[in-house]
Amino acid sequence: KAGVTQTPRYLIKTRGQQVTLSCSPISGHRSVSWYQQTPGQGLQFLFEYFSETQRNKGNFPGRFSGRQFSNSRSEMNVSTLERGDSALYLCASSGQFRGGGRPDTQYFGPGTRLTVL
Amino acid sequence: KNQVEQSPQSLIILEGKNCTLQCNYTVSPFSNLRWYKQDTGRGPVSLTIMTFSENTKSNGRYTATLDADTKQSSLHITASQLSDSASYICVVSEGGNTPLVFGKGTRLSVIA
Repeated sequence: KAGVTQTPRYLIKTRGQQVTLSCSPISGHRSVSWYQQTPGQGLQFLFEYFSETQRNKGNFPGRFSGRQFSNSRSEMNVSTLERGDSALYLCASSGQFRGGGRPDTQYFGPGTRLTVL
Repeated sequence: KNQVEQSPQSLIILEGKNCTLQCNYTVSPFSNLRWYKQDTGRGPVSLTIMTFSENTKSNGRYTATLDADTKQSSLHITASQLSDSASYICVVSEGGNTPLVFGKGTRLSVIA
């Protein structure tokens, strides 16, 4: 079974530009979550999508947005880039939270390294 | 404020030795606690997931413990190998399947 894939792997942008990152989950997985990882803040939760609906959102400004398509593939968009947005952006997929019991294992992709100059 | 604190920040051990990493959290309500291993330049890999009612979970040479009363967890690595060199991240979820509060991680280096 193929793992989570993210494209592109590396990206260089300048301040003020916008960027779109893509994530393809493991086949059959319906939940996709996005995370930002920086040396100073560590991993931080951005948002989670399940069956095309945003189910949870972290504490990030509105410049960060995302969506999920009917095939569970997801994209996240960052507008008006700032230098502080330089980070590793990770996507993770999982099957479905079964409620009242076992949470699902999340499988992470390799990440997209974004550098904002 | 919901927080996850990990200690130590970094650790160097000799190959073959055991070690224990600590995680203290203040997240409430509590749903589950996860330990991840992250190699440099790669995404995290899940090691264990524990819910409120579980106090021990093993995955090969990795054993995680959870004390929900004191809000503490530990990850014990037995007979360390060079490939165990990585960052180990503790993550606590308030609910659902989404990890919401991350620790900063412990950087483990195993040397020959």
